[in-house]
Amino acid sequence: DAGVTQSPTHLIKTRGQQVTLRCSPKSGHDTVSWYQQALGQGPQFIFQYYEEEERQRGNFPDRFSGHQYPNYSSELNVNALLLGDSALYLCASSFRALAGVFSYNEQFFGPGTRLTVL
Amino acid sequence: AQTVTQSQPEMSVQEAETVTLSCTYDTSESDYYLFWYKQPPSRQMILVIRQEAYKQQNATENRFSVNFQKAAKSFSLKISDSQLGDAAMYFCAYRSLYNNNDMRFGAGTRLTVKP
Repeated sequence: DAGVTQSPTHLIKTRGQQVTLRCSPKSGHDTVSWYQQALGQGPQFIFQYYEEEERQRGNFPDRFSGHQYPNYSSELNVNALLLGDSALYLCASSFRALAGVFSYNEQFFGPGTRLTVL
Repeated sequence: AQTVTQSQPEMSVQEAETVTLSCTYDTSESDYYLFWYKQPPSRQMILVIRQEAYKQQNATENRFSVNFQKAAKSFSLKISDSQLGDAAMYFCAYRSLYNNNDMRFGAGTRLTVKP
């Protein structure tokens, strides 16, 4: 059973460019969340996708956008890259369909994409 | 807004000894989950242990146990019989019971295990 996969592993871009990161959820999962982990910090929630729609968003500007496909895979797009966007970008998947107010749905994380902006 | 604080940037333990990592959090909610995640050099976040706030009993997973003090908003992780493979970054995290979408992480504690 394949876990969460992300591509590419590493990426180097220059300021002002645009980047797309990709995530395939764990088999059977339908929800994808994206996190940004700056060096020496804990992950910060960017947004979550379920049923091909953005369901909730953290405190990130509109330069950060995403997409979810019918097969539940997801993309994170960042436009007009800044030096401060350099970070490890983590994807996490879970199975939301069983989630209710009091249910627990564990998030499984991928290995991340290391983005360096020069 | 919920915040998670880990006051120990680095900790060190001798192999086979016990170490405790500290975490405090701030929330106005009464129902939530708390987690400890391990992030080895491979970068993949691995769930170590989970605690539901409505459960009084402290969670235990083999050599890992927590001391959950709800009133004090404290959630420490104890690692017993430390092994070389335990060396990693450890993150404490909070998630609302009513909002599965947003998980808040602390800044992490780097654990070194000395042979």
